[in-house]
Amino acid sequence: EPEVTQTPSHQVTQMGQEVILRCVPISNHLYFYWYRQILGQKVEFLVSFYNNEISEKSEIFDDQFSVERPDGSNFTLKIRSTKLEDSAMYFCASSQSPGHRGDTQYFGPGTRLTVL
Amino acid sequence: QKEVEQNSGPLSVPEGAIASLNCTYSDRGSQSFFWYRQYSGKSPELIMFIYSNGDKEDGRFTAQLNKASQYVSLLIRDSQPSDSATYLCAVNSGSYIPTFGRGTSLIVHP
Repeated sequence: EPEVTQTPSHQVTQMGQEVILRCVPISNHLYFYWYRQILGQKVEFLVSFYNNEISEKSEIFDDQFSVERPDGSNFTLKIRSTKLEDSAMYFCASSQSPGHRGDTQYFGPGTRLTVL
Repeated sequence: QKEVEQNSGPLSVPEGAIASLNCTYSDRGSQSFFWYRQYSGKSPELIMFIYSNGDKEDGRFTAQLNKASQYVSLLIRDSQPSDSATYLCAVNSGSYIPTFGRGTSLIVHP
């Protein structure tokens, strides 16, 4: 069964450093998403991406964040200058046709980001 | 502000019982409703979606939707210890970006 994959599973970084989180969406999916979940909190939407551009973003997704699809398979989230409060699980998800009712997003296993 | 509310629990049920998980949402225009299961430290895993009023059954799981009351629930029949997890309710309102609730922690004890 196809699945979303993410690397690394755990990233530890120093405050102020840049990190890149990587995702490989399901191959026939066209829409990609990043979410984060701070420990004990709800899953929060960051950004969606379609046709090589951002479709929608939340207020969390400020100038320190960027996304890219550098090739035909990878989808990345870059955090330019990490802050302590960026420590969270970051989930990538993909879906096939979000305009249709019942379209579902499939989540990757997540990257746990720890900012020291 | 679109809100999705869930009782955080924990909801504790004995093995073999029916677990009932509830979710309310604020946006009357909401169209699609999802239940995800999340084990500790893992990613959300889709269990079911529903978009029409009434019940939808899949194995031991039944999702129930009442749009007039802005209420969606998940019933788990014959609960097993392996069902112990946090259950996330997610709601799409026009936009295809789901709003998640905080989740309800379910504990099924032998």
